[in-house]
Amino acid sequence: DTAVSQTPKYLVTQMGNDKSIKCEQNLGHDTMYWYKQDSKKFLKIMFSYNNKELIINETVPNRFSPKSPDKAHLNLHINSLELGDSAVYFCASSQVANLKANYGYTFGSGTRLTVV
Amino acid sequence: DAKTTQPPSMDCAEGRAANLPCNHSTISGNEYVYWYRQIHSQGPQYIIHGLKNNETNEMASLIITEDRKSSTLILPHATLRDTAVYYCIVRAYGSSNTGKLIFGQGTTLQVKP
Repeated sequence: DTAVSQTPKYLVTQMGNDKSIKCEQNLGHDTMYWYKQDSKKFLKIMFSYNNKELIINETVPNRFSPKSPDKAHLNLHINSLELGDSAVYFCASSQVANLKANYGYTFGSGTRLTVV
Repeated sequence: DAKTTQPPSMDCAEGRAANLPCNHSTISGNEYVYWYRQIHSQGPQYIIHGLKNNETNEMASLIITEDRKSSTLILPHATLRDTAVYYCIVRAYGSSNTGKLIFGQGTTLQVKP
């Protein structure tokens, strides 16, 4: 069973379109995240949800809107896609409530978004 | 959270131990040292973490200096599959930025036959 699964794995779309990426975790973790890795390979956090509540919202354009219907799911919707949105987007989860025993984040395999 | 400094790249011969250093001179008393790696095009993978004692698991060992200002990740017998970018991260337990991991540039480890 895949612990953190993202769909789709690849997404090619035109500028101006609206698209969504889905993420699900079956680890029972209480916190989920979205990270963006650009062409220079820097990994930057975008959002974090703890028990469906938004707790981290980095400086991200408001075209990006996360939604967490329950603590096992965190989706990312992107409006009016731009060329600069092309990147790999990683979903992750962790059990923050017990961080001392935390074995860290578990990441998904990524969604490679290409905007043309 | 404290910042870390790692060499941008390192080589290691297959079968040899790979020793990856990390400086975190501004680390606070409640900050843990975490190591992750990212194999090409995959999601980052947790390796190990520690507070002040040395730690070992099935993947690696983590040696933290007594003053906690630096640490070394040791892969005891590197294989070609260990070629990856290795990230050293420090973060506090109970940080107000709950759960937030800040990734630096990491060290690209190339294991050579």
